[in-house]
Amino acid sequence: GENVEQHPSTLSVQEGDSAVIKCTYSDSASNYFPWYKQELGKGPQLIIDIRSNVGEKKDQRIAVTLNKTAKHFSLHITETQPEDSAVYFCAASKAGFQKLVFGTGTRLLVSP
Amino acid sequence: EAGVAQSPRYKIIEKRQSVAFWCNPISGHATLYWYQQILGQGPKLLIQFQNNGVVDDSQLPKDRFSAERLKGVDSTLKIQPAKLEDSAVYLCASSTVSGRNYEQYFGPGTRLTVT
Repeated sequence: GENVEQHPSTLSVQEGDSAVIKCTYSDSASNYFPWYKQELGKGPQLIIDIRSNVGEKKDQRIAVTLNKTAKHFSLHITETQPEDSAVYFCAASKAGFQKLVFGTGTRLLVSP
Repeated sequence: EAGVAQSPRYKIIEKRQSVAFWCNPISGHATLYWYQQILGQGPKLLIQFQNNGVVDDSQLPKDRFSAERLKGVDSTLKIQPAKLEDSAVYLCASSTVSGRNYEQYFGPGTRLTVT
């Protein structure tokens, strides 16, 4: 079955810096890759996703890149703000309505 | 639109007791998922429903866990009897297949502590 690895497990940056989180997946049939932000005591919230027919997608300060050949995808957050502090999860699935296999999470801390 | 609703938000039980969780998905979402999130880990799918039929329950410990989705709307997840290792957050999510919009939306979760 699918296996998703995520790095780093923790990431500390200064406000205004950029943050990059990387994930690799094992199943070449996976074609949907969402990123979720989870704040303390809350459920995961979708922040951006990418499908396998696209190499990059941006939404304001957030971007995701996908390299299907290498089977890895990354989340880029620019101009980080303290409110970006949370746990971020990558995930993969063979289609959007099939089960998501999650990475182990990255705890991002943005210091003022 | 209203999000995914779950109750209770917290539950503390002793091992070998039973517990049930309730989920109300976003209106119109045909697909419903239950995930288990152990502290420090990513969510793991337990069971997926399409309307009121089970699509995937391969990772559901069927000797103690059960789930149902009556009338294709609300769902309940039950654990009987609970073990210490069942301590986790149980997340419910829903999605709809409409064109290219099939994102999964999560509820706030139920935090279960088994003592």
